[in-house]
Amino acid sequence: GEDVEQSLFLSVREGDSSVINCTYTDSSSTYLYWYKQEPGAGLQLLTYIFSNMDMKQDQRLTVLLNKKDKHLSLRIADTQTGDSAIYFCAEIPGGSYIPTFGRGTSLIVHP
Amino acid sequence: DAGVIQSPRHEVTEMGQEVTLRCKPISGHDYLFWYRQTMMRGLELLIYFNNNVPIDDSGMPEDRFSAKMPNASFSTLKIQPSEPRDSAVYFCASSLVGRNTEAFFGQGTRLTVV
Repeated sequence: GEDVEQSLFLSVREGDSSVINCTYTDSSSTYLYWYKQEPGAGLQLLTYIFSNMDMKQDQRLTVLLNKKDKHLSLRIADTQTGDSAIYFCAEIPGGSYIPTFGRGTSLIVHP
Repeated sequence: DAGVIQSPRHEVTEMGQEVTLRCKPISGHDYLFWYRQTMMRGLELLIYFNNNVPIDDSGMPEDRFSAKMPNASFSTLKIQPSEPRDSAVYFCASSLVGRNTEAFFGQGTRLTVV
């Protein structure tokens, strides 16, 4: 397909791990991103991964990239209520500087 | 830098009225994007500029929508006449081609057309 795809909702219990998945479109994409949108705010870059990497870890965040399947995932360890937000997967296709965003996954963290 | 600044934050207008949304990108950025966010369609790219020049406006839904970037520090998105289905949150974002080409978003303008 032509779209960056991600599931729309994910509900987890506080303290558990969250895994948000994304399928992107362009195998030549150089950078892949995760943006976070909190209520009433714009999107903010959470983390990114360069296409020659398989994994990137940053404190509670782990990004996994499977280039063969064009699959990107974001794992949040020890999920907190403050992690409740919409998470957008994005790519910049090869030869372009224009990001393509998924629909966003609403992460709901309950006690 | 204060980030991408959009105004107004909220706009309520009557159907048929002209609406103008404003954006000040981050100084030095060479790309500017206008997005629309709705529950039904998610985040849609309406138009983008490179060095103040409109490059792709294929996402603009109708001729009622127009956008300008008269200089590197200012852009407008105009809807004339506005319709209830234009109700959405409109985001402006800017980026600088470089290390990771991160897009910086403004806080958005929530438009309600009644």
